[in-house]
Amino acid sequence: QVHLVQSGAEVKKPGASVKLSCKASGYTVTSYDIHWVRQAPGHGLEWMGWIITGNGKTKYSQKFQDRVTITRDTSASTAYMELRSLRSEDTAVYYCARDSGSYLRDAFDIWGQGTMVTVSS
Amino acid sequence: DIQMTQSPSSLSAFVGDRVSITCRASQTISNYLHWYQLKPGKAPELLIYAASSLQSGVPSRFSGSGSGTDFTLTISSLQPDDFATYYCQETYSTSFTFGQGTKLEIK
Repeated sequence: QVHLVQSGAEVKKPGASVKLSCKASGYTVTSYDIHWVRQAPGHGLEWMGWIITGNGKTKYSQKFQDRVTITRDTSASTAYMELRSLRSEDTAVYYCARDSGSYLRDAFDIWGQGTMVTVSS
Repeated sequence: DIQMTQSPSSLSAFVGDRVSITCRASQTISNYLHWYQLKPGKAPELLIYAASSLQSGVPSRFSGSGSGTDFTLTISSLQPDDFATYYCQETYSTSFTFGQGTKLEIK
């Protein structure tokens, strides 16, 4: 079965960094790209960035461009998302999602279970 | 960036009702439009891809239509499990923009 399993909840102080992981199983990780999406309390889904797992190239939302880095370790079938200079507004559930590719018009067909990140002093 | 506007933002309905949610793109996106269901404490679930194709395992009471800039998600007969928040998303651009969501509540 195809799964994305994310790392556990994090509590961070303002100004700190957090690095989340997303481990893929049941498929070849380099065959599908990975996106990161977040949902802050009371808000909708927000796309943060994307990694082409085959070559490691990335693209980020302009909103997060200066603070986010997405990487992958193909040997571990795992993608990572680091967010720096955390502020209270970054408190949210963070999801990784698989890009289905051109056949499904790049819909996000598999999602991780989400990781809650709380930023509080 | 492409803007995605969903309406309504919230909706109350009875079990058994037929409901529709619309999504409008600020520019044409062909059929690069998808619908997701989100429930509290659960991961989003892909319902409809490419505007009108039903994702495997999703009940047939869900359907999608539209092309270009205007799209609709329809649930033909609401079931208790369908009360959730629904999002549209475009993947025509590399901004992968989501709509603001529609919260569907039991009347």
